[in-house]
Amino acid sequence: EVKLEESGGGLVQPGGSMKLSCAASGFTFSDAWMDWVRQSPEKGLEWVAEIRSKANNHATYYAESVKGRFTISRDDSKSSVYLQMNSLRAEDTGIYYCTRHDYAFDYWGQGTTLTVSS
Amino acid sequence: DIQMTQSPASLSASVGETVTITCRASENIYSYLAWYQQKQGKSPQLLVYNAKTLAEGVPSRFSGSGSGTQFSLKINSLQPEDFGSYYCQHHYGTPLTFGAGTKLELK
Repeated sequence: EVKLEESGGGLVQPGGSMKLSCAASGFTFSDAWMDWVRQSPEKGLEWVAEIRSKANNHATYYAESVKGRFTISRDDSKSSVYLQMNSLRAEDTGIYYCTRHDYAFDYWGQGTTLTVSS
Repeated sequence: DIQMTQSPASLSASVGETVTITCRASENIYSYLAWYQQKQGKSPQLLVYNAKTLAEGVPSRFSGSGSGTQFSLKINSLQPEDFGSYYCQHHYGTPLTFGAGTKLELK
């Protein structure tokens, strides 16, 4: 059974940092492309970042809205993907989902909530 | 970026009815289109990818069609568990973008 479990959300002040983690199981993680998708009432579902497999040189891609502030990474030995978020803004508030990207996003975690507020 | 426009934004229907949701891409995405269902308080779930391929475990009353810029999701004989929100998303390279969603409510 495929499982994706996010952790690390919470309340952070504007300008602050937060790191999200996602632990994966039930599939060959090292072969998978992994993405972060967020959701908020204001913006709906928004793709955030992607990291590809080792076969694709762990290439990374970002939404323009987070480029330069967020960094996606992975540790295949731990079957985990991470999202380091710096210079956080109020508009980064939302539920962050870890997803597996196989054609489309075929598996999603339960999500972790990030609130950016003073 | 490719813009995805969904319609209608909301839809009321009864159990047993057939409904269709449409999605338009701002440019040609061939058949790289996915549909998701999301129930209140839950994560989205993949229904269809490559415009018409049902994801594993998805009932056959769901069907996707279209190519290029025009797509649709049809649900035959609505069941109580089908009510929720539906989103389209292109998977024709990054940045991947979603439609704003269609809320399907019980009439």
